[in-house]
Amino acid sequence: AQSVTQLDSQVPVFEEAPVELRCNYSSSVSVYLFWYVQYPNQGLQLLLKYLSGSTLVESINGFEAEFNKSQTSFHLRKPSVHISDTAEYFCAVSEKGYSTLTFGKGTMLLVSP
Amino acid sequence: DTEVTQTPKHLVMGMTNKKSLKCEQHMGHRAMYWYKQKAKKPPELMFVYSYEKLSINESVPSRFSPECPNSSLLNLHLHALQPEDSALYLCASSQDTQGDSGNTIYFGEGSWLTVV
Repeated sequence: AQSVTQLDSQVPVFEEAPVELRCNYSSSVSVYLFWYVQYPNQGLQLLLKYLSGSTLVESINGFEAEFNKSQTSFHLRKPSVHISDTAEYFCAVSEKGYSTLTFGKGTMLLVSP
Repeated sequence: DTEVTQTPKHLVMGMTNKKSLKCEQHMGHRAMYWYKQKAKKPPELMFVYSYEKLSINESVPSRFSPECPNSSLLNLHLHALQPEDSALYLCASSQDTQGDSGNTIYFGEGSWLTVV
């Protein structure tokens, strides 16, 4: 069985500041890793994913995440956030060969002017 | 196109009512899912359909009854719900459930259910 830990329940930042949302996972087998974003009163949108290959993955809106196998981490970063990035961010993991997701508890990113 | 469409967006029902939530995808995905999400919590898996057959039921009460009429449609029939069942119900789909291609799950916008 796998688990996902998002230590920060809320991260407040000012607009144009950098941000890092932390995600650590635990699994006895190889995994796929995902970040989903949920804007207020909306469903989940896939932000980015790590399946294999390059450990650095990027999204179209400036976020990136790096898979670190030795530290079992998949932290999400953005060099300069916008007000519109305010949302709940969920890290999730699935075992290779299976597609059921295990979610972390989520991190609320609050961007203020 | 990675779209999963859910209807209705909002539903208010009494505890004696019977209602249904509907979900549709046209991505050719063969796996479909129902998740339940309470406020400020991550989504919780309820059901998984693979190739139109129920493959996972996460011990969901029988007042929730899933149905997969075909590979593009997924319904969730609701009967005799309790106020604590009020939540956001998310439908999702993926290519299949056991491939090694890195099955990515795509979610719909959800149906907000309030039980009164």
